[in-house]
Amino acid sequence: QEKVQQSPESLIVPEGAMVSLNCSFSDSASQSIWWYQQHPGKGPKALISIFSNGNKKEGRLTVYLNRASLHVSLHIKDSQPSDSAVYLCARANYGNEKITFGAGTKLTIKP
Amino acid sequence: DTTVKQNPRYKLARVGKPVNLICSQTMNHDTMYWYQKKPNQAPKLLLFYYDKILNREADTFEKFQSSRPNNSFCSLYIGSAGLEYSAMYLCASSYRGPDGYTFGSGTRLLVI
Repeated sequence: QEKVQQSPESLIVPEGAMVSLNCSFSDSASQSIWWYQQHPGKGPKALISIFSNGNKKEGRLTVYLNRASLHVSLHIKDSQPSDSAVYLCARANYGNEKITFGAGTKLTIKP
Repeated sequence: DTTVKQNPRYKLARVGKPVNLICSQTMNHDTMYWYQKKPNQAPKLLLFYYDKILNREADTFEKFQSSRPNNSFCSLYIGSAGLEYSAMYLCASSYRGPDGYTFGSGTRLLVI
C-alpha cells in the first residue's frame, strides 16, 4: 500500500523565516505530488502540485521533487502568521482516481 | 461558487444507531470522495464515486455505504455507529481524477 511520511510533525518559526517541510513516498509510480493547507475548522485546500522531477515556484512557495530518492519538499519564503496551518502532502498514481495523504505537519508562525 | 458544502457541521450519535452525512457541490465535478480524519492521522479514503460508479476501499468496504442520486449530491451512511467511528468526515470533489480536490469543511462526528 502506498505510504506518505511527513516530517517534522510540528514546527514553530518566527515571522519572516524560511519554512521547509518534508515528505517521502513509498513508490516511484506516484504520478503527481500535492501539498494541501488546512486551517482549523476548515477543509484542506490545494496549494501547489508537481509532476516532473525538479522544482516549481508559485509566489512564496517552492516545491522540489526528487523521484530517485522518493522525496518532495515544500519551502515557504517570508513566512507570515496567516501561514500557520497543517500542511498535508499527498500523492496520486497515474490513472488512479484517488490520492493518499500524509499525516501532516503543523506549522506555527510566531509574530 | 467553488465550494463543497457538508451538513451538519457537528453530529452526535449513539452507539448502534445509524448516521447519515450529506455533501453537495455545484462545480459539476464528476468525482466525489469521502475521507475519515482522526487527530494526528492522515485522512483515510473511505470511498469515492466516479460519475455513478461507487468505489469502496477494501478495509472499510462493509462499514460504510454511500449514494449519489445526482451529480451534485453524495451521502455517507453508517448503519450502526461504533465508538471508533468518532472522527472528522471530509467530503471532496474533483473533475476527471485526482487533480485539485476541493474539500468541504467537514462534519465532526462524535459517537457516545
